[in-house]
Amino acid sequence: QVQLVESGGGVVQPGRSLRLSCAASGFSFSSYAMHWVRQAPGKGLEWVTVISYDGSNKYYADSVKGRFTISRDNPKNTLYLQMNSLRAEDTAIYYCARGPQNLHIDYWGQGTLVTVSS
Amino acid sequence: QPVLTQSSSASASLGSSVKLTCTLSSGHSTYIIAWHQQQPGKAPRYLMKLEGSGSYNQGSGVPDRFSGSSSGADRYLSISNLQSEDEADYYCETWDSNTHVFGSGTKVTVL
Repeated sequence: QVQLVESGGGVVQPGRSLRLSCAASGFSFSSYAMHWVRQAPGKGLEWVTVISYDGSNKYYADSVKGRFTISRDNPKNTLYLQMNSLRAEDTAIYYCARGPQNLHIDYWGQGTLVTVSS
Repeated sequence: QPVLTQSSSASASLGSSVKLTCTLSSGHSTYIIAWHQQQPGKAPRYLMKLEGSGSYNQGSGVPDRFSGSSSGADRYLSISNLQSEDEADYYCETWDSNTHVFGSGTKVTVL
């Protein structure tokens, strides 16, 4: 069955960096686009970024453009999110999600919590 | 970029039915959407893809109590025979030019 397991969350000071990972299994990872979606405490879902199946195309929400970078390692079945210049408003649960190319999200991970605080 | 509008809350009695609405912004009335469920303290779960024609495809393991329909710019999620585990937040999602957007979510309370 499809499994997406995020890791790398934690408490980080404003202005610092953090890298999240998402280990995928149960499907052909290299055939699917992958997303990061976040949810601030008590708030709704916010789409963050997507990467195409082969890593050649990447798109970002305006709120993270220039600060976050999505990448993937297909042989390792792993998705990454490099987050730089973190701000308090980046505090959220970050979900890794699978998305068939140019379509909706169809599987979600369990999420990893990122807290940006001094 | 499309905008999705959802009412903030809905409630219905155990065993009854409820119908949630997700409205696409002007100029985007033909867009396909997806519905996702988020139970309290859990990750979201994909429920279905819903087209403007009203045709829908459920995700794996989604009970038949969940169905979709469409009318113009409105996309609906209907839940019949409401169960206690259906108490959750429900989000619609759509996409355009490689960016995705979520509605603000509807909180369903089972009375």
